[in-house]
Amino acid sequence: GAVVSQHPSWVICKSGTSVKIECRSLDFQATTMFWYRQFPKQSLMLMATSNEGSKATYEQGVEKDKFLINHASLTLSTLTVTSAHPEDSSFYICSARAGGGDFYEQYFGPGTRLTVT
Amino acid sequence: GQNIDQPTEMTATEGAIVQINCTYQTSGFNGLFWYQQHAGEAPTFLSYNVLDGLEEKGRFSSFLSRSKGYSYLLLKELQMKDSASYLCAALDSNYQLIWGAGTKLIIKP
Repeated sequence: GAVVSQHPSWVICKSGTSVKIECRSLDFQATTMFWYRQFPKQSLMLMATSNEGSKATYEQGVEKDKFLINHASLTLSTLTVTSAHPEDSSFYICSARAGGGDFYEQYFGPGTRLTVT
Repeated sequence: GQNIDQPTEMTATEGAIVQINCTYQTSGFNGLFWYQQHAGEAPTFLSYNVLDGLEEKGRFSSFLSRSKGYSYLLLKELQMKDSASYLCAALDSNYQLIWGAGTKLIIKP
């Protein structure tokens, strides 16, 4: 159980265009979803935390107008990279947490590799 | 501030034992996670400790000392497939995960 999917797995886009990445919890309801970015040979960097039905909370230094997050339902969150630039090329990973109880494990999606040309 | 420290890189031999240490300083504490991440893949869950002591799960064990702000991940009978990065993450008072930079483990034959 506790499977999280991401789509697409990889995407190549031209500079200036927008890209949408979907994150779905397949067999549980995710009250909270997290979006991370990871550059090569570096650790995960939390970009934002989103709770279903409310606005995402962005980490310091992350532009909320550039990285649009929508957590429309308990099983779906989307990250849209607007006006992408080559420096936005990275590995984007979402994770989901069911919430409640004593165990706050985050279940990770497989990641989306974005290349902006 | 909140901080997680773990070694950047470690090397070990196939069949041996390796211990990866992690120290943490967080605002409140609700447990400590270890994740494994192979290159180009997302992290996968290894263990969760919230009480002091050792949790054993097959070849992997994780230890926690809350009073010392310290944890370690112990890997026994190392296999080549264990070559990966190991991420330590502490859950703070807001139930937010604070991540370490990861320890790259290199296994040599």
